[in-house]
Order: sequence, then C-alpha cells, then structure tokens
Amino acid sequence: EVQLVESGGGLVRPGGSLRLSCAASGFTLSSYWMSWVRQAPGKGLEWVANIKEDGSERYYVDSVKGRFTFSRDNAKSSLYLQMNSLRAEDTAIYYCARVRKYGVDYWGQGTLVTVSS
Amino acid sequence: DVVMTQSPLSLPVTLGQPASFSCRSSQSLVHSDGNTYLNWFQRRPGQSPRRLLYQVSNRESGVPDRFSGSGSGTDFTLKIIRVEAEDVGLYFCMQGTHWPWTFGQGTKVEIK
Repeated sequence: EVQLVESGGGLVRPGGSLRLSCAASGFTLSSYWMSWVRQAPGKGLEWVANIKEDGSERYYVDSVKGRFTFSRDNAKSSLYLQMNSLRAEDTAIYYCARVRKYGVDYWGQGTLVTVSS
Repeated sequence: DVVMTQSPLSLPVTLGQPASFSCRSSQSLVHSDGNTYLNWFQRRPGQSPRRLLYQVSNRESGVPDRFSGSGSGTDFTLKIIRVEAEDVGLYFCMQGTHWPWTFGQGTKVEIK
C-alpha cells in the first residue's frame, strides 16, 4: 500500500525556517517524480514544487522560488522541503504527493505550517 | 498561469440521479506531445484528495465506472451516472500540461 507521511510542520515566526519531511513507503520512490502541494486556510490547492526521480531537476511555483528547496534521499525513502524566509502567506497545510501521468495520484495527510508572530 | 474555472461551485444531487461538473481552462491543455493532462480528484470530508481520472478520461484503479470524464482543449466535464451517498465531497480538476500545474476551486457535491 502506498503511504506518504509528512512531518515537520509547526509554528514559525516570519522570516524563519522550517524543514518538512515526507516518508514514502509501499512503492519504489526512485521511480517517481514527487510533488509538494499546499492549501492555505480557506483557499484552494496550490502546487508548490516537483522533483525528478533522481533529484536532478526541480520546479517551483514563482512565489517560493529562491526560498524553498525540494530534495530527496531515495535510499532513505524520504523527501524534504526546506523552507526559508517564511512569510504569513506560506501558512498552509503542506501535502507530499506522488506524480504519475502528469498529475498526482497519492497524497499524504498533510502537515500544518503556521507563520505568525 | 493557467486558470482553471469550475462550475457550479455547489451541486445538490438526488441519490441515484446523474451529476455533471464543468472545468474550463484559460489555455488549451493539449501538451506538445499531443496528450491532454487534465485530472479529476475527489476529496471526501476529512480525507486527502483521491485522483479519479487522468488524461481527461482514464479512470484510476479502483474507481467505479459510474465516474466518467470527457472534453478537449479548454472544456472538460466529469459525470457521475448515478450518485451514491459515498460520492459526497469536493470534486476538483487539475491541469498538468503547463508549468506551474494549477487546480480548480472545486465543486461541492451534497445530497438533497
């Protein structure tokens, strides 16, 4: 069974940093592109970033470019989202998701990030 | 960015009756490889999204055949042949043709 379990969310002050993790199981992580998707309170879903199977390519939504870094460790079946210079508008539930057929087919339960002073 | 617009935003339905939702994109979703990467998701209350369809009309494994997708270019439709109680939730579309991928705001399905 495919499982994606996010962790690392919490309360952080504006300008601060946070590192999210996603533990993948039930499939061969190294065979898939992966994504982070977020949903701010009362808002719709927003795709944040994608990473290629081997980590050699990464794509980000403009609003996080230069602040967020998506990485992976296939040997540890783990993905990471390093978030720096956090802003109030980054407050959201962050979901780790598996990419297949130019979309995402499995999602984690999400981890809440709150940026507030 | 490609804007995905869904309608209606809310849809009261009668059990056993059909339901239909629309998703329109601000640009054609035909990829340079000739495929159209339009996805439909279901999100039940308290759960993470579940993909129902990819590439407009291909059902994911385990998705009942009462769900079907159609459309082309910028205009797409998700249909439920006969609504069941477990179909209550939010249905949203997502395009994977253009960077960044973008989502529709969703259609909320509730039972009358």
